[in-house]
Amino acid sequence: SQKIEQNSEALNIQEGKTATLTCNYTNYSPAYLQWYRQDPGRGPVFLLLIRENEKEKRKERLKVTFDTTLKQSLFHITASQPADSATYLCAFIGGNNRKLIWGLGTSLAVNP
Amino acid sequence: DAEITQSPRHKITETGRQVTLACHQTWNHNNMFWYRQDLGHGLRLIHYSYGVQDTNKGEVSDGYSVSRSNTEDLPLTLESAASSQTSVYFCASSESRQWSEKLFFGSGTQLSVL
Repeated sequence: SQKIEQNSEALNIQEGKTATLTCNYTNYSPAYLQWYRQDPGRGPVFLLLIRENEKEKRKERLKVTFDTTLKQSLFHITASQPADSATYLCAFIGGNNRKLIWGLGTSLAVNP
Repeated sequence: DAEITQSPRHKITETGRQVTLACHQTWNHNNMFWYRQDLGHGLRLIHYSYGVQDTNKGEVSDGYSVSRSNTEDLPLTLESAASSQTSVYFCASSESRQWSEKLFFGSGTQLSVL
Protein backbone atom coordinates (compact mmCIF):
# COMPACT_ATOMS: atom_id res chain seq x y z
CA SER A 1 0.00 0.00 0.00
CA GLN A 2 1.04 3.58 -0.50
CA LYS A 3 3.02 5.06 2.38
CA ILE A 4 4.30 8.47 3.24
CA GLU A 5 7.20 9.24 5.57
CA GLN A 6 8.41 12.42 7.18
CA ASN A 7 11.40 12.92 9.44
CA SER A 8 10.22 11.92 12.88
CA GLU A 9 13.00 13.79 14.65
CA ALA A 10 12.40 17.42 15.42
CA LEU A 11 14.39 19.92 13.43
CA ASN A 12 16.09 22.73 15.34
CA ILE A 13 17.64 25.58 13.42
CA GLN A 14 18.90 29.07 14.04
CA GLU A 15 16.86 32.08 13.03
CA GLY A 16 17.76 33.30 9.57
CA LYS A 17 18.82 29.88 8.30
CA THR A 18 16.95 27.80 5.76
CA ALA A 19 14.85 24.96 7.11
CA THR A 20 14.46 21.91 4.89
CA LEU A 21 11.85 19.28 5.62
CA THR A 22 11.50 15.97 3.79
CA CYS A 23 8.51 13.96 2.67
CA ASN A 24 9.15 10.55 1.12
CA TYR A 25 6.60 8.23 -0.42
CA THR A 26 6.58 4.67 -1.65
CA ASN A 27 5.21 3.01 -4.75
CA TYR A 28 3.73 5.17 -7.45
CA SER A 29 4.07 8.93 -7.62
CA PRO A 30 1.05 10.93 -6.52
CA ALA A 31 -0.43 13.43 -8.91
CA TYR A 32 -0.54 16.09 -6.19
CA LEU A 33 1.25 16.69 -2.95
CA GLN A 34 0.20 19.19 -0.31
CA TRP A 35 1.99 20.80 2.61
CA TYR A 36 0.27 22.05 5.77
CA ARG A 37 1.35 23.80 8.93
CA GLN A 38 -0.06 22.79 12.32
CA ASP A 39 0.37 24.74 15.54
CA PRO A 40 -0.24 23.15 18.96
CA GLY A 41 -3.94 22.90 19.72
CA ARG A 42 -4.93 24.01 16.22
CA GLY A 43 -5.99 22.38 12.99
CA PRO A 44 -3.66 22.13 9.99
CA VAL A 45 -3.44 25.15 7.70
CA PHE A 46 -2.82 24.69 3.99
CA LEU A 47 0.44 26.14 2.66
CA LEU A 48 1.26 24.84 -0.81
CA LEU A 49 0.21 22.30 -3.39
CA ILE A 50 2.59 20.95 -6.02
CA ARG A 51 1.60 18.85 -9.01
CA GLU A 52 3.46 15.90 -10.43
CA ASN A 53 4.55 17.84 -13.49
CA GLU A 54 5.86 20.77 -11.43
CA LYS A 55 9.41 20.59 -10.20
CA GLU A 56 9.17 23.56 -7.88
CA LYS A 57 6.58 25.87 -6.33
CA ARG A 58 7.20 29.06 -4.38
CA LYS A 59 5.16 31.26 -2.06
CA GLU A 60 6.96 34.09 -0.33
CA ARG A 61 9.66 32.44 1.85
CA LEU A 62 8.36 28.96 1.16
CA LYS A 63 9.53 26.62 -1.58
CA VAL A 64 8.42 23.09 -2.36
CA THR A 65 10.10 20.68 -4.75
CA PHE A 66 8.82 17.42 -6.14
CA ASP A 67 11.24 14.76 -7.39
CA THR A 68 9.41 11.78 -8.82
CA THR A 69 12.69 9.92 -9.40
CA LEU A 70 13.66 10.11 -5.74
CA LYS A 71 9.99 9.82 -4.68
CA GLN A 72 10.48 12.82 -2.49
CA SER A 73 9.21 16.30 -1.80
CA LEU A 74 11.30 18.90 -0.01
CA PHE A 75 9.82 21.85 1.83
CA HIS A 76 12.09 24.84 2.39
CA ILE A 77 11.60 27.89 4.58
CA THR A 78 14.19 30.54 3.83
CA ALA A 79 15.22 33.24 6.31
CA SER A 80 13.44 31.29 9.02
CA GLN A 81 11.87 33.08 11.98
CA PRO A 82 10.80 31.87 15.44
CA ALA A 83 7.20 32.32 14.25
CA ASP A 84 7.83 29.52 11.74
CA SER A 85 8.10 27.05 14.63
CA ALA A 86 5.34 24.49 14.13
CA THR A 87 4.70 20.99 12.86
CA TYR A 88 4.62 20.62 9.09
CA LEU A 89 2.55 17.91 7.45
CA CYS A 90 2.66 16.56 3.94
CA ALA A 91 -0.21 14.74 2.28
CA PHE A 92 -0.97 13.23 -1.07
CA ILE A 93 -3.65 11.32 -2.84
CA GLY A 94 -2.91 7.65 -2.74
CA GLY A 95 -4.48 4.31 -3.28
CA ASN A 96 -7.35 3.17 -5.40
CA ASN A 97 -9.85 5.15 -3.37
CA ARG A 98 -8.05 8.38 -4.17
CA LYS A 99 -8.13 9.66 -0.59
CA LEU A 100 -5.55 11.90 1.04
CA ILE A 101 -2.76 10.06 2.85
CA TRP A 102 -1.07 12.08 5.60
CA GLY A 103 2.42 11.99 7.00
CA LEU A 104 3.01 12.18 10.75
CA GLY A 105 4.58 15.59 10.44
CA THR A 106 7.96 17.06 11.32
CA SER A 107 8.33 19.46 14.22
CA LEU A 108 10.39 22.55 13.43
CA ALA A 109 11.83 24.82 16.11
CA VAL A 110 13.49 28.07 15.03
CA ASN A 111 15.68 29.46 17.76
CA PRO A 112 16.25 33.22 18.09
CA ASP B 1 -14.45 36.12 7.43
CA ALA B 2 -15.58 32.61 6.61
CA GLU B 3 -14.53 29.98 9.08
CA ILE B 4 -15.06 26.46 10.32
CA THR B 5 -15.84 26.01 14.01
CA GLN B 6 -15.92 22.92 16.17
CA SER B 7 -17.53 22.41 19.53
CA PRO B 8 -16.84 21.56 22.20
CA ARG B 9 -13.06 22.14 22.27
CA HIS B 10 -12.69 19.58 25.03
CA LYS B 11 -14.98 16.73 26.06
CA ILE B 12 -14.70 14.04 28.69
CA THR B 13 -17.17 11.18 28.57
CA GLU B 14 -17.64 7.68 29.85
CA THR B 15 -17.43 4.41 27.98
CA GLY B 16 -20.75 3.48 26.39
CA ARG B 17 -22.20 6.98 26.23
CA GLN B 18 -23.32 8.57 22.99
CA VAL B 19 -21.37 11.68 22.08
CA THR B 20 -21.90 14.21 19.31
CA LEU B 21 -19.20 16.59 18.10
CA ALA B 22 -20.36 19.64 16.20
CA CYS B 23 -18.84 21.15 13.07
CA HIS B 24 -20.12 24.33 11.43
CA GLN B 25 -18.63 26.06 8.39
CA THR B 26 -19.49 29.38 6.80
CA TRP B 27 -17.42 28.81 3.64
CA ASN B 28 -20.50 27.46 1.86
CA HIS B 29 -18.44 24.44 0.88
CA ASN B 30 -20.22 21.33 -0.28
CA ASN B 31 -17.49 18.99 0.91
CA MET B 32 -16.93 18.29 4.58
CA PHE B 33 -14.72 15.77 6.35
CA TRP B 34 -14.04 14.35 9.78
CA TYR B 35 -10.55 13.21 10.74
CA ARG B 36 -8.98 11.91 13.90
CA GLN B 37 -5.37 12.56 14.85
CA ASP B 38 -3.44 10.25 17.17
CA LEU B 39 0.20 9.95 18.12
CA GLY B 40 1.95 7.61 15.73
CA HIS B 41 -0.72 7.99 13.08
CA GLY B 42 -1.27 10.55 10.40
CA LEU B 43 -4.66 12.15 10.11
CA ARG B 44 -7.17 9.40 9.43
CA LEU B 45 -10.44 9.95 7.62
CA ILE B 46 -13.58 8.93 9.51
CA HIS B 47 -16.46 10.12 7.31
CA TYR B 48 -17.00 12.64 4.57
CA SER B 49 -19.84 14.30 2.72
CA TYR B 50 -20.10 15.81 -0.75
CA GLY B 51 -23.31 17.64 -0.01
CA VAL B 52 -26.68 17.63 1.73
CA GLN B 53 -27.97 14.11 2.37
CA ASP B 54 -24.67 12.61 1.16
CA THR B 55 -22.39 10.73 3.57
CA ASN B 56 -19.52 8.31 2.95
CA LYS B 57 -17.34 6.11 5.11
CA GLY B 58 -13.66 6.78 5.47
CA GLU B 59 -10.89 4.42 6.55
CA VAL B 60 -11.80 4.35 10.27
CA SER B 61 -15.59 4.72 10.29
CA ASP B 62 -16.54 1.89 12.68
CA GLY B 63 -18.32 3.26 15.74
CA TYR B 64 -18.96 6.67 14.15
CA SER B 65 -21.82 8.16 12.16
CA VAL B 66 -22.55 11.48 10.46
CA SER B 67 -25.57 13.17 8.97
CA ARG B 68 -25.79 16.12 6.60
CA SER B 69 -29.07 17.98 6.73
CA ASN B 70 -27.71 21.33 5.51
CA THR B 71 -24.61 22.73 3.84
CA GLU B 72 -23.12 24.28 6.98
CA ASP B 73 -23.12 21.41 9.47
CA LEU B 74 -21.68 17.90 9.70
CA PRO B 75 -22.06 16.54 13.24
CA LEU B 76 -20.07 13.45 14.18
CA THR B 77 -21.71 10.95 16.52
CA LEU B 78 -20.00 8.26 18.52
CA GLU B 79 -22.79 5.79 19.08
CA SER B 80 -21.24 4.10 22.13
CA ALA B 81 -17.97 5.71 23.10
CA ALA B 82 -14.96 3.44 23.60
CA SER B 83 -11.57 4.21 25.12
CA SER B 84 -10.01 3.61 21.70
CA GLN B 85 -11.90 6.66 20.49
CA THR B 86 -9.95 8.97 22.77
CA SER B 87 -8.38 11.28 20.23
CA VAL B 88 -8.31 14.75 18.72
CA TYR B 89 -11.02 15.17 16.11
CA PHE B 90 -10.78 17.62 13.25
CA CYS B 91 -13.48 18.75 10.91
CA ALA B 92 -12.51 20.11 7.50
CA SER B 93 -14.13 21.43 4.37
CA SER B 94 -13.10 22.00 0.78
CA GLU B 95 -14.43 23.93 -2.15
CA SER B 96 -14.41 21.28 -4.84
CA ARG B 97 -14.84 17.58 -4.97
CA GLN B 98 -11.30 17.02 -6.19
CA TRP B 99 -9.21 15.25 -3.60
CA SER B 100 -6.34 17.49 -4.60
CA GLU B 101 -8.28 20.49 -3.32
CA LYS B 102 -6.90 22.17 -0.21
CA LEU B 103 -8.70 21.60 3.06
CA PHE B 104 -9.80 24.16 5.62
CA PHE B 105 -9.67 22.75 9.14
CA GLY B 106 -11.36 23.61 12.38
CA SER B 107 -9.41 23.91 15.62
CA GLY B 108 -10.30 20.42 16.77
CA THR B 109 -12.07 18.70 19.65
CA GLN B 110 -10.04 16.84 22.25
CA LEU B 111 -12.17 13.87 23.31
CA SER B 112 -11.32 11.69 26.28
CA VAL B 113 -13.29 8.49 26.88
CA LEU B 114 -12.84 7.16 30.41
